[in-house]
Amino acid sequence: SAVISQKPSRDICQRGTSLTIQCQVDSQVTMMFWYRQQPGQSLTLIATANQGSEATYESGFVIDKFPISRPNLTFSTLTVSNMSPEDSSIYLCSVGGGSHTGELFFGEGSRLTVL
Amino acid sequence: QQPVQSPQAVILREGEDAVINCSSSKALYSVHWYRQKHGEAPVFLMILLKGGEQKGHEKISASFNEKKQQSSLYLTASQLSYSGTYFCGTDQTGANNLFFGTGTRLTVIP
Repeated sequence: SAVISQKPSRDICQRGTSLTIQCQVDSQVTMMFWYRQQPGQSLTLIATANQGSEATYESGFVIDKFPISRPNLTFSTLTVSNMSPEDSSIYLCSVGGGSHTGELFFGEGSRLTVL
Repeated sequence: QQPVQSPQAVILREGEDAVINCSSSKALYSVHWYRQKHGEAPVFLMILLKGGEQKGHEKISASFNEKKQQSSLYLTASQLSYSGTYFCGTDQTGANNLFFGTGTRLTVIP
C-alpha cells in the first residue's frame, strides 16, 4: 500500500488569492490524480499528474485555474488560483498501484474554505 | 460521464443484506468500489475487470455486466462498520483515472 501525505490539511483563504496543495507519497508511483469533493458530493476528477509532462485535465478544469506540477515520481502539487467561494471543497490526491490491480489510494484531503 | 448509483440512501439493521447498483453510459474497462466514512478518505473495496476477473474484499462481493455497463455491490450480513457512503468508480480506458458515481449512503443500525 501507499502512504500519502497532503499539506495543508485545511485552510481558510480570501477570495482572489491562490493556494498550493502538496502531495507526498512514500514510494514511487506512475499515476497520480487530483480529485475535488464538494461537501456531501461525489469525487470529481480534476486531472492526471504526469511525471515529466503537462497534466491531463478533465472537462471543466483548465490549467490556468488548477496548475499542477509533478517534478518526480513521489511528489505533486495542485494550485487553486484566483479563488472564489465556489472553490471551497476538499481536494484529494490519489495514486494507483496497489497490490490489487488498479486500486487507488487516497490522501486525507485538503479542506479549503474561501471567504 | 458520471455513473449513476441507486439507491441514494439505505438504512439496514445489523445482519441484513443490501445491493448497491452502478450504471454507466460509457463502455467500461473496469469498475471499482470504494467506501468513505465521514471525514475520511475513500477506501478501496473491490475491482471488477473487463473479462470477469475480480479482486477485492472478503465479505463483500460484486458483479459486472460489461454489456449493460452496470455493476452491483452486494453486502451480506451487514455490520455496524459497513456504514458509510459507497462510490463506484468507472475506468473507461485502463488508465485508472476513475469517474466516481453519485454515491449511496448506507447506515447500519443495531
